[in-house]
Order: sequence, then structure tokens, then C-alpha cells
Amino acid sequence: GAVVSQHPSWVICKSGTSVKIECRSLDFQATTMFWYRQFPKQSLMLMATSNEGSKATYEQGVEKDKFLINHASLTLSTLTVTSAHPEDSSFYICSARDGFETWNYGYTFGSGTRLTVV
Amino acid sequence: GQQLNQSPQSMFIQEGEDVSMNCTSSSIFNTWLWYKQDPGEGPVLLIALYKAGELTSNGRLTAQFGITRKDSFLNISASIPSDVGIYFCAGSVYGGATNKLIFGTGTLLAVQP
Repeated sequence: GAVVSQHPSWVICKSGTSVKIECRSLDFQATTMFWYRQFPKQSLMLMATSNEGSKATYEQGVEKDKFLINHASLTLSTLTVTSAHPEDSSFYICSARDGFETWNYGYTFGSGTRLTVV
Repeated sequence: GQQLNQSPQSMFIQEGEDVSMNCTSSSIFNTWLWYKQDPGEGPVLLIALYKAGELTSNGRLTAQFGITRKDSFLNISASIPSDVGIYFCAGSVYGGATNKLIFGTGTLLAVQP
């Protein structure tokens, strides 16, 4: 089945620095990837839809200049949290859609990245 | 952002009991999915529902897509300790260029051996 790899699985950074999170589709090409944020004991909130070769589509209330998304190839999307602050500490999860795999409606999730900003 | 209302918020049951949880929305969805998330992991798909009224099983799990397209339920029969986790429903909506998933508020399930 489709596999999505997310790296790093956890990261601690100082306030004011930037952090990059990678999401890779290992055995399929993903024209579309999605980035979610999950605070403790809460649901997954969609942040943005990442489209290969074009600009990402951000959900209402998500700052595009703070959460930079780059989907430069069919197997890699990156999320960069710029000038991170403690309130950005969260669990970030990506998912990728395999347009040719329909058994699970094409959405496969990564294992998430725990970001802690100190 | 948009969310689906899921109930109950949490459940604490004995091993062997059956479990039922549901999800409701004010909006219509074309697809309903149920996921399970273990701590520190991404969600894993359990069941996908594509048609209103559809009833689908996956082992001890059964889910139904409501006729109105605004609700869905998930049943787990004969629960076992490894069923512990957070269960999320998700509805698929068209986001302009592609379908995107909107997640429910989650149901925390604890199973006592």
C-alpha cells in the first residue's frame, strides 16, 4: 500500500528560528498533499493543500507567510514554520493523495512531527 | 475551521463490550471515512463510505453513511485492548481544486482488560 514518510518525527527549536518538515510519498506520486496541525487532545485541523508545481491553498486563518509550503516534486512537500514561537508548538501531520489508488480514497497519512518551540 | 461533531467525546469500557460512536454535520458530505489514531502517530484509515445509506464492515468494525449525508456511525463489536485510541470521522468536501478532508472532534476509547 501507499506509504508516506514524514521527517523529522520530533524537533525542538528556539523561539525565533525556522523549522522545516518534510513529507515524502515513497511508492507513489502525489500531485496533492495536505498539511494538518493537531493540538493536544484536539482534532486535526487542515492548514493547507499543497499542489505540485503551484502555490499552496491555505485555509482561512492560516498565515501563509509563516507556514511556507513548497511542493517542488511529485514525491516531496515541505512545510517551513518561520520565526517559530511557543504557540506554534503542535503535532504537524501531512497526508498525500495517490490519484491512482482508490481503495482508501487515496489519502495516506504520515506519522507526524512533534514540534516544540522553547 | 469547519469541523464535524463527534460523540461521545470519550468512552471507558470493559473488554468484550460493543462500542458505538457517531458523527454529525450541518453540511452534506460525499464521502465519510473513519480513522484511528494512536498516540504520536498519524491516523490510519479503518473504513471508507461512498454512498448514502451504505453499510460497510471491516472485521469487528461496522460503519454506515447516513441517508441525509450529514451523519455516520461506527460500531466496534467485542472490543479488545488494542482498540484503545482516538477515533476520528472525516468527511470529504471539494476544495476548489481537489477534495479535502474535514475531521471530527474525535472519540477517545479506553478498554479495560
